[in-house]
Amino acid sequence: DGGITQSPKYLFRKEGQNVTLSCEQNLNHDAMYWYRQDPGQGLRLIYYSQIVNDFQKGDIAEGYSVSREKKESFPLTVTSAQKNPTAFYLCASSMWNEQFFGPGTRLTVL
Amino acid sequence: EDQVTQSPEALRLQEGESSSLNCSYTVSGLRGLFWYRQDPGKGPEFLFTLYSAGEEKEKERLKATLTKKESFLHITAPKPEDSATYLCAVQGRYNTDKLIFGTGTRLQVFP
Repeated sequence: DGGITQSPKYLFRKEGQNVTLSCEQNLNHDAMYWYRQDPGQGLRLIYYSQIVNDFQKGDIAEGYSVSREKKESFPLTVTSAQKNPTAFYLCASSMWNEQFFGPGTRLTVL
Repeated sequence: EDQVTQSPEALRLQEGESSSLNCSYTVSGLRGLFWYRQDPGKGPEFLFTLYSAGEEKEKERLKATLTKKESFLHITAPKPEDSATYLCAVQGRYNTDKLIFGTGTRLQVFP
């Protein structure tokens, strides 16, 4: 089955730790995206990548980093510099206009 | 600034009671307007793309329409399984890398 997978589903982090969220797609899509979702707010774009080895900052990139070494993979690292990292993180991919989303990772900082 | 506003924030319907959700937008040249369904704790599921005023798309009990300033998601004779949050997003013609999302309408359908 083609689709987007994210792991883990739940992640707990202690303050001061870096954590990496995984996103993999087998849809052969060129573009991939990371969003953050908080209660009462719309999805906010963190980073996106249109092609391998290239990525751009979105609206809220501070405290996050990404890499795009393979077309299928777009991992997101939440660094200790991110002041309020507890949120639901969503990965998406697209070939043309429509973006398709993965199941999400819920990150909680303890 | 590109912006999307969805209303109402929450909507409670009796099973079979038809209604509409609104998505008002301001964007510098609309390239596309997208509707998604999101169940609690899950990623958004793509429903429709609309490109130009007057366009309509249908899927089961859902019909999406588009004008130059807003889109409506009409729900005809809803069932409890239609309960979800419905998200609207726009893509501007001059900034095609991004989608601008609204905060969603949380729909609850009671039997």
